[in-house]
Amino acid sequence: KAGVTQTPRYLIKTRGQQVTLSCSPISGHRSVSWYQQTPGQGLQFLFEYFSETQRNKGNFPGRFSGRQFSNSRSEMNVSTLELGDSALYLCASSLLWSPGGGDTEAFFGQGTRLTVV
Amino acid sequence: EDKVVQSPLSLVVHEGDTVTLNCSYEVTNFRSLLWYKQEKKAPTFLFMLTSSGIEKKSGRLSSILDKKELFSILNITATQTGDSAVYLCAGYNFNKFYFGSGTKLNVKP
Repeated sequence: KAGVTQTPRYLIKTRGQQVTLSCSPISGHRSVSWYQQTPGQGLQFLFEYFSETQRNKGNFPGRFSGRQFSNSRSEMNVSTLELGDSALYLCASSLLWSPGGGDTEAFFGQGTRLTVV
Repeated sequence: EDKVVQSPLSLVVHEGDTVTLNCSYEVTNFRSLLWYKQEKKAPTFLFMLTSSGIEKKSGRLSSILDKKELFSILNITATQTGDSAVYLCAGYNFNKFYFGSGTKLNVKP
């Protein structure tokens, strides 16, 4: 089955612009998480969506937002881009079980490399 | 606050060396500990550990979990240049994955 698909793979934007990134999870997965990865900070959690609801949010400013559609595809939006937003943005999908259920792992997409100039 | 801490942050070894990567966690309602290898873009899954003291092995890689001391180690024996990557660990509690910052391993010929 197809893996996690992120588009676009690369983006170059200028400061002040906004950007929208897309993530299509593995078929059947309802949880999508977004991460920002930079050489200095490592993998930083942005937010997680499950069944179109944001369940968890990391410590990022309000310029970072997201949503999830009924088909589980998710988009992440960053407004008023800053130079420091340049990073690899990864999304991961998983089956989330309730306590007592089975184990799961997160499957990552290839990421979107965003460069802000 | 739930968190996962990996050490060392980076490591340089020579081919043939054995390395041990560390991962300590504080995750409420902890369920499992996962290891990933990230070479260029997408982290790829290595191991999932849920029980203390049971080693998981895949070729030259092995990992073990200590739920009493709240840590896990990833061992790589007879390292090769292809093992050069960032190794990530994550704690999972049915709610979300908590990732560490990763250990960057550089294996020199």
